Amino acid sequence: QVSLVQSGAEVRKPGASVKVSCTASGDTLTNYATHWVRQAPGQSLEWMGWINGRTGKAKYSERFQDRVTVSRDTSATTVYMDMSSLTFEDTAVYYCATSKIVGAICDFDYWGPGTMVIVSS
Amino acid sequence: SAELTQPPSVSVSPGQTARITCSGDALPEKFAYWFQQRSGQAPLLVIYDDTKRPSGIPDRFSGSTSGTKATLIVSGAQVEDEADYYCYSTDKTGRRVFGGGTKLSVL
Repeated sequence: QVSLVQSGAEVRKPGASVKVSCTASGDTLTNYATHWVRQAPGQSLEWMGWINGRTGKAKYSERFQDRVTVSRDTSATTVYMDMSSLTFEDTAVYYCATSKIVGAICDFDYWGPGTMVIVSS
Repeated sequence: SAELTQPPSVSVSPGQTARITCSGDALPEKFAYWFQQRSGQAPLLVIYDDTKRPSGIPDRFSGSTSGTKATLIVSGAQVEDEADYYCYSTDKTGRRVFGGGTKLSVL
């Protein structure tokens, strides 16, 4: 069973970029699809995009397509979410969530603990 | 429409049955999933494929579906079931969407 660890909280100014990491233990992410989901304070969950651990190809929600990049390292143990042109509305907890490409019961079988990103001037 | 609509809150007394609904146009064709999120924690899958329960989830959690509505049922709700619950599904184009969330109070 895979466990996910995420990078620590970040504070950025409007217009800046942030990169959040998600590292797997117990397995590599080669056979997993890893998604990013965010949750603004007091709000619902919002799906952002995902990366296929086998192919390295990523797909995005239309809402984030222009300023989010999801990537992985060559060892496929860490997945990254890079967001540019931050605004105050991007203040949220960012979760990575993963599931096996074959045999998963849901897109989000395993969740990371979340990374708080605060956008403040 | 890709939207999933949930009631903002549901309240029951301990031991009663709580029902949380999720309405969406694509639900007759797409599976619904339910996540429990306790305060300050990551979501936890409690129901998948409309009615199935992952291992380790108490059998008081169940799911049903009828037409454009999916329902999460918590039979004999416990105080520890107090949490936010989110439905999740995909629309006909594969777009992934969560419901607005329902706060379940057990008191």
